[in-house]
Amino acid sequence: AQKVTQAQTEISVVEKEDVTLDCVYETRDTTYYLFWYKQPPSGELVFLIRRNSFDEQNEISGRYSWNFQKSTSSFNFTITASQVVDSAVYFCALRTFGNEKLTFGTGTRLTIIP
Amino acid sequence: DVKVTQSSRYLVKRTGEKVFLECVQDMDHENMFWYRQDPGLGLRLIYFSYDVKMKEKGDIPEGYSVSREKKERFSLILESASTNQTSMYLCASSFSRVRTGIYGYTFGSGTRLTVV
Repeated sequence: AQKVTQAQTEISVVEKEDVTLDCVYETRDTTYYLFWYKQPPSGELVFLIRRNSFDEQNEISGRYSWNFQKSTSSFNFTITASQVVDSAVYFCALRTFGNEKLTFGTGTRLTIIP
Repeated sequence: DVKVTQSSRYLVKRTGEKVFLECVQDMDHENMFWYRQDPGLGLRLIYFSYDVKMKEKGDIPEGYSVSREKKERFSLILESASTNQTSMYLCASSFSRVRTGIYGYTFGSGTRLTVV
């Protein structure tokens, strides 16, 4: 069975600060995929990134960066120079190879204070 | 613009009513899913379907059923709504490309159901 843990329920930071959202996963499969989604107040989940288990290279996309470490089963997400528009609930999710289902964490509500 | 459309954004139903939540996708995706979202619990999978007329139970199927008569439409049915089914319901669809490992999901905007 798979499990995704997002220990941070809510985070508040002042605008322009950096913030890291933690994600720890559990799976016995050797091939799997990790995802981050953003859910703004409108409700729709917006895809941010997908990472394959065999690719531990960190990724940067503008102000967003992701740190994937198989040794600690973590896939953390950092927002640099946060903005009010980053305020949302962020979900980490896991999918194993050959399995169509996504297993989600409980989400982290991020509030950026102007 | 490809999308997943959920028929209602907000819905209020009475206890004991039969409730239908509709989801339509226009991407010719094989797979469709129904999730339930509750504070502190994240998204939990209710049912999913990987083909027309095919369905599989997710993690919390009790009290729900589904129907997929056409590839683009996936319906969630609450046979007899109860107050503990008050929640946000999210539909999603995905294609699967096993060989290339490409898995893309698209989510609808959700239906907030209140059972009174």
